[in-house]
Order: sequence, then C-alpha cells, then structure tokens
Amino acid sequence: DGGITQSPKYLFRKEGQNVTLSCEQNLNHDAMYWYRQDPGQGLRLIYYSQIVNDFQKGDIAEGYSVSREKKESFPLTVTSAQKNPTAFYLCASSIGGQGNLQTQYFGPGTRLLVL
Amino acid sequence: QKEVEQDPGPLSVPEGAIVSLNCTYSNSAFQYFMWYRQYSRKGPELLMYTYSSGNKEDGRFTAQVDKSSKYISLFIRDSQPSDSATYLCAPAGGTSYGKLTFGQGTILTVHP
Repeated sequence: DGGITQSPKYLFRKEGQNVTLSCEQNLNHDAMYWYRQDPGQGLRLIYYSQIVNDFQKGDIAEGYSVSREKKESFPLTVTSAQKNPTAFYLCASSIGGQGNLQTQYFGPGTRLLVL
Repeated sequence: QKEVEQDPGPLSVPEGAIVSLNCTYSNSAFQYFMWYRQYSRKGPELLMYTYSSGNKEDGRFTAQVDKSSKYISLFIRDSQPSDSATYLCAPAGGTSYGKLTFGQGTILTVHP
C-alpha cells in the first residue's frame, strides 16, 4: 500500500527533553511537510522540504529542527527550546516541482504530550 | 488579518440538511482551492478542489469559488452522520513549491 506513516501515535516528553517524530512515505514524492495542529487554529506549517538535502522554515519553525537525508524520510525533532510542544503533529507529502497541482497527502499524525 | 479566514463553528445540523461551509482569503495569487476533511484524531484527506472561479460538483458535495470577492464555499446536500468531521479550506498557487495555507477548520456534526 502506498502512503505516509507516522510514528509513534502518542509521544510523551519530559521537561528539557528533545524528542523526534518519524515520517516515512513510499509515494515517491519529492516534497514533504510538517504541520502543527492546535484546537481552533487549523494547520500551521513548521518546516517543508522540496527535495532531498534541502528544507526551509515554515511559519512556526522556532524550537523545531528537521533533516531530509533520504527522499522517503523527513523526521521532526521537537527541541527543549519549544516551550509549548503539546499538539497534534501532521506530516504530509506532495509530488513537488513547478507547475504541478500540489495536492498534499497526510499521515495519521502524532499526538505529543508533555509530562 | 489572516491570509485565510474560516468560521470554526461548531456547526450542528440534522441529518438531511444542506450545509454551507465558507472561507475568505486575501491573497489574489491563489489559483487552486482545496477542501480537506478531517475525522477526529486522523490526518486530513483531500475532499475536492477547484481551479479558479466557478463551481465543481462531486456527488453530494459542491465547491464554489468567487475570486472577485475572494470567497470560497463548500456545500453538502443531504448531509449524513458520516459527514461529521472538521472541514478545512486550503487555497494554493502563486508559488512554485505547493505550499498550502489552511483555514482554521469548521467542526461539523450531523445528528440523526
């Protein structure tokens, strides 16, 4: 089955701890995205990557970091600098490239909670 | 002013009702207008999209875009309890990398 997987489904973070959320896709998509979803605020873009070994900050990148070493994988690290990390995190991918209708396909999400 | 504004609701309707979900946007460069549906504790899924102004129908769903007033709508006819979800509008375009700008989402409940 083609799709996007995220793990874990639930993640607990202690104060001062860095945690990493996994995102893998087998859709052969070039572009990948990370969003944060809070109640009443919709989806806010954290980071995005158009191609391997390249990524850009989104609207709320502070306190987060990413890497894109492989086309299929785009892990997100929530660092201790992110003071309010409790949220639902969504990973998405799209075909990428210019001139394409950029339909984004989403994973099932990871819910991060602070202990 | 947010780039995309969407009434968060919540909206509660009886089964069989016609539902109207709306968004306004400020960026005139937007060309594609997508609607995503998100069930509770799940990732969003693309419901339908339109290009430029006009209407598009898909079964019980109709998407409508008026670029002159920067207003987009999603109509659901004969609503069903299975339509209960959060609906997110997402205009796009005017860029080369496919970044979407999402509205806040409208929470819809259709009760039997």
